[in-house]
Amino acid sequence: EAGVTQFPSHSVIEKGQTVTLRCDPISGHDNLYWYRRVMGKEIKFLLHFVKESKQDESGMPNNRFLAERTGGTYSTLKVQPAELEDSGVYFCASSLWTGNEQYFGPGTRLTVT
Amino acid sequence: AQSVTQLGSHVSVSEGALVLLRCNYSSSVPPYLFWYVQYPNQGLQLLLKYTTGATLVKGINGFEAEFKKSETSFHLTKPSAHMSDAAEYFCAVSEAWTNAGKSTFGDGTTLTVKP
Repeated sequence: EAGVTQFPSHSVIEKGQTVTLRCDPISGHDNLYWYRRVMGKEIKFLLHFVKESKQDESGMPNNRFLAERTGGTYSTLKVQPAELEDSGVYFCASSLWTGNEQYFGPGTRLTVT
Repeated sequence: AQSVTQLGSHVSVSEGALVLLRCNYSSSVPPYLFWYVQYPNQGLQLLLKYTTGATLVKGINGFEAEFKKSETSFHLTKPSAHMSDAAEYFCAVSEAWTNAGKSTFGDGTTLTVKP
């Protein structure tokens, strides 16, 4: 069974540019989560999808971040325009049902210069 | 609201020695508790979890943790460290009844194992 995959693994962009991160969850997992770790600090929750619906987006930092999950399969997280403080590692996770074990992807390391 | 405190950002032990990584949490409702491990250039991997039932939880790679409600702790232990245990470890909590999908993580503890 394939695990959670994320693309790209690394991205370096300039301040003001746009970046789109993609996450493919484990097949059949209705729940998809985005987290972010900035500068070696704690991993922070961004949002939670159940199928294509946003269950909880309380962790999204501001309106420069847009997450979508059309069709309830893969998800994208767009940052537009990127700022220096957006640099960090963005993790995606999926689970079969809410509260169950979350399976994490390897993360996308975003560097904004 | 929920929070996690991991005591010690870096822990160093000798191979064969006891591993003890400390985690204290706060939660307004009964918690789900997790320990994850992250090896370099990899995603987080679940070591073990507590949801309900037995408070001593056994996980993979010989790790275990005990949920102590009175102490609001969920410390991770392993009797004998192996070189392959060197990694970063994260404790996490979620609220069982109200928002089980949202996990709150600690800052992480980097474990170094000396030969």
